[in-house]
Formats: sequence, structure tokens, C-alpha cells
Amino acid sequence: EPEVTQTPSHQVTQMGQEVILRCVPISNHLYFYWYRQILGQKVEFLVSFYNNEISEKSEIFDDQFSVERPDGSNFTLKIRSTKLEDSAMYFCASTAGPRSQETQYFGPGTRLLVL
Amino acid sequence: GEDVEQSLFLSVREGDSSVINCTYTDSSSTYLYWYKQEPGAGLQLLTYIFSNMDMKQDQRLTVLLNKKDKHLSLRIADTQTGDSAIYFCAESITGRRALTFGSGTRLQVQP
Repeated sequence: EPEVTQTPSHQVTQMGQEVILRCVPISNHLYFYWYRQILGQKVEFLVSFYNNEISEKSEIFDDQFSVERPDGSNFTLKIRSTKLEDSAMYFCASTAGPRSQETQYFGPGTRLLVL
Repeated sequence: GEDVEQSLFLSVREGDSSVINCTYTDSSSTYLYWYKQEPGAGLQLLTYIFSNMDMKQDQRLTVLLNKKDKHLSLRIADTQTGDSAIYFCAESITGRRALTFGSGTRLQVQP
């Protein structure tokens, strides 16, 4: 069964460093998402991406964050200058089609720890 | 804005039924979802229901939706130890792609 994959599974970084989290969505999917889950808190939407541009973003997704689809398979989340409060599990998701209610399939997550 | 609430913890005995509850605030919810998260793993979609439905059954899972009270429940029949996990309720609303998640209910199944 096709699945969303994410690398790395864990990342430790120093405050102020840049990190890039990588995702490979399901191959025929067109819409891509990033969510995060701070330890003990709710899963929060960050951004959605379609046709090489951001289609929706939350208040969390400020100028420190950016997303990119550098090639036909990868979808990345970059945090330019990490802060302690960026420590969280980051989930990538994808959906197949144009309807906003399409089921979102999630990857296993990348646990980011900022020291 | 939209908000989704769940109770934090539920403990049942193996073989019993589990009922996990969720309430939401946004009346323009279109789809409501249940996701399962096992330790160290991602979010696995279990089932979903469209907002014009009252009930959906899928093998051991039954979803009930009371749109008037904005209440969603997930019933797991014949609960097994492998069902131990965190269960998240989530909603999507018209015109938006973002899912809004509840805080998750940790289900513990006692042998």
C-alpha cells in the first residue's frame, strides 16, 4: 500500500540553525501538508501546498518557515533559524485530488529537538 | 474559530466495547475523522464520516454523529490490546484544507 515517508525520523539541532525536513508524498497525490505536534499538545496545521504554491497557511507558519517541492517526489519544510519552541513532531500529509475533503494520509513524522 | 475537544484517557478490558467521544464547535464541518496514533508512529486514518450522515459502520468501528449537539463518537467493538493507542478526532470545514484536531484520547486496553 502506498504511504507517505519522512526523513529523518529524529533530528537534533542547535538554536539558530537551519533545518530541512523531508517528505515523499504518495506518488499520484497533488496536495501536500505540514502539521506539527508539540509534546503533549494538539496536532496543529502549518501549511498546505498545491501546484507549486502555498494554498493555505496558519498563523504559526511565519517567515521562519518555508516549503518547497524541489523535484517530482520530495516536499520539504525549512525552518531558517530554529527556536527552542520549534521542538515538536512534524508530520507531512498528502491528498489525491482537488476536493478539500479528500482524506489526508500522514507520514510517520520527524521528531525535531532544538537545544 | 473551530475547536475540537476530547476526553484525555479511557481504560477498558479486553473484549469490552470502547466509546471515545469528541465535541466540535464549527457548524460548517463537512467531514469528521478518526485517526489512531501508536507509540512512535504517525497518524493512521481509521474512518471518517460526512456531516450529512448519522452513522457509519466499518467492521469493529462504528461512528455516530449528532450534528445538533456537535458530538462525534467512535465505538470499537471487542476491543483488543492492539487497539491501545491515542485516538484523534479531527474536522475539516467547507473551503479549507486544514484539519483541526482534538487533543487525543489515550485508550488503554487491560488484558
